[in-house]
Amino acid sequence: SQQGEEDPQALSIQEGENATMNCSYKTSINNLQWYRQNSGRGLVHLILIRSNEREKHSGRLRVTLDTSKKSSSLLITASRAADTASYFCATDRGQGGSEKLVFGKGMKLTVNP
Amino acid sequence: DTGVSQNPRHKITKRGQNVTFRCDPISEHNRLYWYRQTLGQGPEFLTYFQNEAQLEKSRLLSDRFSAERPKGSFSTLEIQRTEQGDSAMYLCASSRWFWPVGRIDTEAFFGQGTRLTVV
Repeated sequence: SQQGEEDPQALSIQEGENATMNCSYKTSINNLQWYRQNSGRGLVHLILIRSNEREKHSGRLRVTLDTSKKSSSLLITASRAADTASYFCATDRGQGGSEKLVFGKGMKLTVNP
Repeated sequence: DTGVSQNPRHKITKRGQNVTFRCDPISEHNRLYWYRQTLGQGPEFLTYFQNEAQLEKSRLLSDRFSAERPKGSFSTLEIQRTEQGDSAMYLCASSRWFWPVGRIDTEAFFGQGTRLTVV
């Protein structure tokens, strides 16, 4: 069964705008990871945030984690057309490492030029 | 680092036939995972290996599915007597798992996947 739930399920914005995606999950986790998937392709790892971290940055990406609310958000700033893709959150409940990642259904982001 | 490689990229087969997919992980990675993804859904865990040992299998992995990683390097996923419901993207991922004092979190790197269509 899928653990994460991304919200919204689809988002369409203009180039240059910021995009925020939310993820909620159900059980305790070791870490939460965000992935991007272009249509029909494999997944690309974006960022990992550990359960004892609250915020993390990587380039134009900012991830927050609230373990009390079992939720995470991914912010993409100054979006580009190339950011158009599906985005997934995945939780790791194992002893460490990417053991049995449980994915959400994904969120489709469209960035219009 | 050539990344995770999966072959073939696409496979069309008739119902009832057997198919085998191959995954070559990143060379220094000791963990290898198989996931299945259907249209509009996130990947679902099937099984994973640590070196050559298969440590966990999902209930999704019916008796018709078998995975191997004979020498702890590449892995194969075989589906016997394919059914139309097996049509999906099959994704392989690898990661490096340590036994340090404390815990290290590492990301999984995914291949491009094998898209299976059963007709």
